[in-house]
Amino acid sequence: AAGVIQSPRHLIKEKRETATLKCYPIPRHDTVYWYQQGPGQDPQFLISFYEKMQSDKGSIPDRFSAQQFSDYHSELNMSSLELGDSALYFCASRREGGMNTEAFFGQGTRLTVV
Amino acid sequence: GDSVTQMEGPVTLSEEAFLTINCTYTATGYPSLFWYVQYPGEGLQLLLKATKADDKGSNKGFEATYRKETTSFHLEKGSVQVSDSAVYFCALSRQGGSEKLVFGKGTKLTVNP
Repeated sequence: AAGVIQSPRHLIKEKRETATLKCYPIPRHDTVYWYQQGPGQDPQFLISFYEKMQSDKGSIPDRFSAQQFSDYHSELNMSSLELGDSALYFCASRREGGMNTEAFFGQGTRLTVV
Repeated sequence: GDSVTQMEGPVTLSEEAFLTINCTYTATGYPSLFWYVQYPGEGLQLLLKATKADDKGSNKGFEATYRKETTSFHLEKGSVQVSDSAVYFCALSRQGGSEKLVFGKGTKLTVNP
């Protein structure tokens, strides 16, 4: 079965650079969530989209932005990267109103800022 | 705000031992409750869930019962295997699971042969 695809799997950037993380949800899933998991930490919610509109916002820095496109894939754009942005970034998708309402997670993108 | 508190780890057990990882929550209304598992270097996988009081979620020998009176969702397994070694996260979501997940801090389980 198709799963949530995230790319790239690993990314190394220098301080003050920008990064773009991509998420391709499971087909027919219309909702996407982004989470940030620091080393040894629990995942923290960043932002979510439903039908290409932002549906909720968590602890996402102003340096970060995200959007969901017409094909439902989503991108997380991160600018002026800081060392503290080094983390595992997860995308999850779900189908609103579907019988199985849980979110399915991708493998994550590990971002290292040096 | 909503929050999840779970047993601090790490937890180390011998193979075939009984496992309990405690999880309690604070939330308004009736959240859906989840256990996710994260194997080393992997993403989060849903282990089991419960959407209303007294529901029991079960999968791969793991079980958890949604206890509204104690606001708990403890994870149990009767006989753990080495392959169960992972980090386990308790989580909640409101609106039947349609809202964002709020995670506990995670409990690292190591099972020795």
